[in-house]
Amino acid sequence: AQSVTQLDSQVPVFEEAPVELRCNYSSSVSVYLFWYVQYPNQGLQLLLKYLSGSTLVESINGFEAEFNKSQTSFHLRKPSVHISDTAEYFCAVNTGLGGGADGLTFGKGTHLIIQP
Amino acid sequence: KAGVTQTPRYLIKTRGQQVTLSCSPISGHRSVSWYQQTPGQGLQFLFEYFSETQRNKGNFPGRFSGRQFSNSRSEMNVSTLELGDSALYLCASSLEQPSGELFFGEGSRLTVL
Repeated sequence: AQSVTQLDSQVPVFEEAPVELRCNYSSSVSVYLFWYVQYPNQGLQLLLKYLSGSTLVESINGFEAEFNKSQTSFHLRKPSVHISDTAEYFCAVNTGLGGGADGLTFGKGTHLIIQP
Repeated sequence: KAGVTQTPRYLIKTRGQQVTLSCSPISGHRSVSWYQQTPGQGLQFLFEYFSETQRNKGNFPGRFSGRQFSNSRSEMNVSTLELGDSALYLCASSLEQPSGELFFGEGSRLTVL
């Protein structure tokens, strides 16, 4: 079985500063990796994903994440954050063995707080 | 393409009542999953339906049930509501692919008084 650890439950950052949200996973097989974002009173939206190929993946709003197989990590980074980035961020992993969505495991989330 | 639609968005019930939540998946998606989200427990998997069959179930009591219709729309039901059932209930749909990428609705926020 796989597991996901988001090391920080809350990360306060000043506006325009860089940020890194950490995610480590545990799995004995190859994995698919996701970052989801949840704005207040909304559902989760897919931010970016790693399925295969380049280990560096980017989103349209400036976030990027790098798959590091040796460190079993998929940390999320942004060089300069905005107030609008305030949200809860969830890392998720799937081995693909279960088929469909039943093998998806979520971390407990990291609340990104942007301070003016 | 329309996203995942959940109704109602907000509802208030009292202890002992029951509630039914509805979810319409993205067109072409045959898998529908339900999650409960609370501040204390985070995201917890309830169950997944595929082609009208429950394919997987999380660790919730039998008061929580669901079903899926032939058009892939899904409902979940919670009977004999307890205060602890207050939560955001999220529905997600997906294509049948190994990655398991989920597309979420905006959720139904249930408050039990």
